Amino acid sequence: EDQVTQSPEALRLQEGESSSLNCSYTVSGLRGLFWYRQDPGKGPEFLFTLYSAGEEKEKERLKATLTKKESFLHITAPKPEDSATYLCAVQASRDYKLSFGAGTTVTVRA
Amino acid sequence: SAVISQKPSRDICQRGTSLTIQCQVDSQVTMMFWYRQQPGQSLTLIATANQGSEATYESGFVIDKFPISRPNLTFSTLTVSNMSPEDSSIYLCSGGVGYEQYFGPGTRLTVT
Repeated sequence: EDQVTQSPEALRLQEGESSSLNCSYTVSGLRGLFWYRQDPGKGPEFLFTLYSAGEEKEKERLKATLTKKESFLHITAPKPEDSATYLCAVQASRDYKLSFGAGTTVTVRA
Repeated sequence: SAVISQKPSRDICQRGTSLTIQCQVDSQVTMMFWYRQQPGQSLTLIATANQGSEATYESGFVIDKFPISRPNLTFSTLTVSNMSPEDSSIYLCSGGVGYEQYFGPGTRLTVT
């Protein structure tokens, strides 16, 4: 069974204080690892897909990296609008289903 | 990418009744999925909606309780049948573009 564990559960940051979120995973044959952002009362918003170890992707203040066992989402100089729950999911090569972690809720204070 | 809409956005229903949730994608997608997100929790896959054939359900979810239709490549429905308060949750659909999945805004269901 595929497993995804995210840490920490919650992260409180001061504006401009950079930090990282962790997503560790166990999957039989990884096709891709996905990061989503979810705001309260909304559906998850797609951020990144990473397909192979060593791959990195960036979007504004967010940078995602991937190893064979985990992924990191780095938030550089965060702003209050970066406050959200960040979800990590894995997709095995055997099908197209996503298995999600529990998420990390990030709060950025001005 | 894909833009996905859902109807209704929220509903309050009485126990024992059924609710059908609609999911519309702005372009043809190969895969469509239905998820449940209980308060404060992450997403759990209910089923894969297959176009032209029966949906594929995950462990713990059955067709009698969550019948799904997918008449074409842009539309799907999920029915929550014979509802109980335990069915109160957010129901989300997603559409697959290549390997990526894009989500709708969700339907917030409260069962009283």
